[in-house]
Amino acid sequence: AQSVTQLDSHVSVSEGTPVLLRCNYSSSYSPSLFWYVQHPNKGLQLLLKYTSAATLVKGINGFEAEFKKSETSFHLTKPSAHMSDAAEYFCVVSESGSARQLTFGSGTQLTVLP
Amino acid sequence: NAGVTQTPKFRILKIGQSMTLQCTQDMNHNYMYWYRQDPGMGLKLIYYSVGAGITDKGEVPNGYNVSRSTTEDFPLRLELAAPSQTSVYFCASSYGKSTSGKNEQFFGPGTRLTVL
Repeated sequence: AQSVTQLDSHVSVSEGTPVLLRCNYSSSYSPSLFWYVQHPNKGLQLLLKYTSAATLVKGINGFEAEFKKSETSFHLTKPSAHMSDAAEYFCVVSESGSARQLTFGSGTQLTVLP
Repeated sequence: NAGVTQTPKFRILKIGQSMTLQCTQDMNHNYMYWYRQDPGMGLKLIYYSVGAGITDKGEVPNGYNVSRSTTEDFPLRLELAAPSQTSVYFCASSYGKSTSGKNEQFFGPGTRLTVL
């Protein structure tokens, strides 16, 4: 069975400082991993995805994530936060061949302070 | 393209009432999904469909029904609303199976449902 744990429910950073959102996963098979962002009262938007190619994945809006199999982690980072990055972020895992689709983490609320 | 659209955006139901949440996509996607999102939680899959006429249960199907008569539409039916169904409901679609990671899911804006 697959699962995903987002280690922080809330993260606050100042504008212009780095962002780190942590995610650990559990999977019996080769997983695919995603980060989605949800702005207030909006649907979810895909930021980036890992599908067993390069372990460092670059996404939209300057975000990137590194797949570390030995640590079962897929942390999301951004060098410099912008006010528009304030949103909720979901780490998602999907096992290869799974018919039950995606398993979502509980989310991390990112606040960006001026 | 409008992408994935959902109606209504908000709804308040009384216990025991029924309603249908509408979902339409104009991307000619084969796969469609219904999720619910409870406060402080991630999304949980209610039902999904791999094509017209084919549906299957997700993680939390009890109290819901779906149908898929066309590629574009995937309505979610609540027959006897209960307070436990108070949630935000998201519809999503993808071209193919998302498990390969080759097909992202596109989400609608959500329907906020309250059952009193």
